[in-house]
Amino acid sequence: EAQVTQNPRYLITVTGKKLTVTCSQNMNHEYMSWYRQDPGLGLRQIYYSMNVEVTDKGDVPEGYKVSRKEKRNFPLILESPSPNQTSLYFCASSFPLGGLAPTSTDTQYFGPGTRLTVL
Amino acid sequence: AQSVTQLDSHVSVSEGTPVLLRCNYSSSYSPSLFWYVQHPNKGLQLLLKYTSAATLVKGINGFEAEFKKSETSFHLTKPSAHMSDAAEYFCVVTLRGWGKLQFGAGTQVVVTP
Repeated sequence: EAQVTQNPRYLITVTGKKLTVTCSQNMNHEYMSWYRQDPGLGLRQIYYSMNVEVTDKGDVPEGYKVSRKEKRNFPLILESPSPNQTSLYFCASSFPLGGLAPTSTDTQYFGPGTRLTVL
Repeated sequence: AQSVTQLDSHVSVSEGTPVLLRCNYSSSYSPSLFWYVQHPNKGLQLLLKYTSAATLVKGINGFEAEFKKSETSFHLTKPSAHMSDAAEYFCVVTLRGWGKLQFGAGTQVVVTP
């Protein structure tokens, strides 16, 4: 089954304790991205990756890191989490129709979400 | 720059009555537009997308949306609401040729019997 998986689904942690949220897709998609969802703000993009070893900042990258060493995986790293990073996080992937930049006609496939609470 | 505004944060409808979710966008260039739905405790699912073909776009579950360039709108409609339509709906805009998405704040739909 084609899917995007995230782990863990739920996480409660304390300020300053490094954590990683994993994201994996089995569709051979080149484009992957991370979003956070907060009430009244919709989804905001944190980081995105156009291919292996190619990553760039989205709209709210502060406090986050990513890496893309394999096409299928795109982990989100919080080196020193803070309470303002309490949120619902979604990973997404898509397959570009052509060229290096993904076309906007591509459907983004979303993971089930990770609910993070930082105390 | 691009942005999207969903004009209603909450919409309440009775089962069997029409649903209208309003979305206005701004974009410097020709946009692509999407509607996504998020059911409680679920991820996001694509309902439909506009990508410069027909201005009236039909999606899944009986939803459709019309792209109106003159009004910079992309409103989502359904003729008859079903209880299973209760969810949060997001209007999304992106510049054609680039995968960065801009989400609206969302519209929560409540369907009453």
